[in-house]
Amino acid sequence: EPEVTQTPSHQVTQMGQEVILRCVPISNHLYFYWYRQILGQKVEFLVSFYNNEISEKSEIFDDQFSVERPDGSNFTLKIRSTKLEDSAMYFCASNLDRKETQYFGPGTRLLVL
Amino acid sequence: GQQLNQSPQSMFIQEGEDVSMNCTSSSIFNTWLWYKQDPGEGPVLLIALYKAGELTSNGRLTAQFGITRKDSFLNISASIPSDVGIYFCAGQSSGNTGKLIFGQGTTLQVKP
Repeated sequence: EPEVTQTPSHQVTQMGQEVILRCVPISNHLYFYWYRQILGQKVEFLVSFYNNEISEKSEIFDDQFSVERPDGSNFTLKIRSTKLEDSAMYFCASNLDRKETQYFGPGTRLLVL
Repeated sequence: GQQLNQSPQSMFIQEGEDVSMNCTSSSIFNTWLWYKQDPGEGPVLLIALYKAGELTSNGRLTAQFGITRKDSFLNISASIPSDVGIYFCAGQSSGNTGKLIFGQGTTLQVKP
């Protein structure tokens, strides 16, 4: 069964460093999303992406964040200058149509020291 | 912004018992979803509800989309140890972006 994959599974970085989180959505999907989950809290929407453009972004998704689909298979989230409060689990999701089920990847656990 | 209130926050039950959890919102959602999350993993879809009043089952799980479109519940019958995990409701509004709003989660523990 097709699945969303994410790399790396864990990343530790120093405050102020740039990180890139990678996702490979399900191959025929057209809509892509990033969510984050701070430890012990709920899953929060960050950004949705369609047709090589951001469709919607949350207040969390400030100028330090960017997304890109550099080729036909990868979808990346870049945090330009990480802060301590960026420590969280980051989930990628995708679906064929925005109204259909979103399939989540296993997540990348980011720890900012 | 839109928020979902999910309750209870946690439950500790005996194997074989039935479980019920619910989500409410002050605003309307067009789709209600129930996900389960195991430790260190991503949410996995359990049930999707697309129509007000819809009642849908998936094995021992049953969920309903409230008639007002502002609430949903999930029932688990005859719980087993592998039901342990965190259950999240999520709603999708009428916007065009597919954004999901998640509830705070219900942590379920099942005692064998």
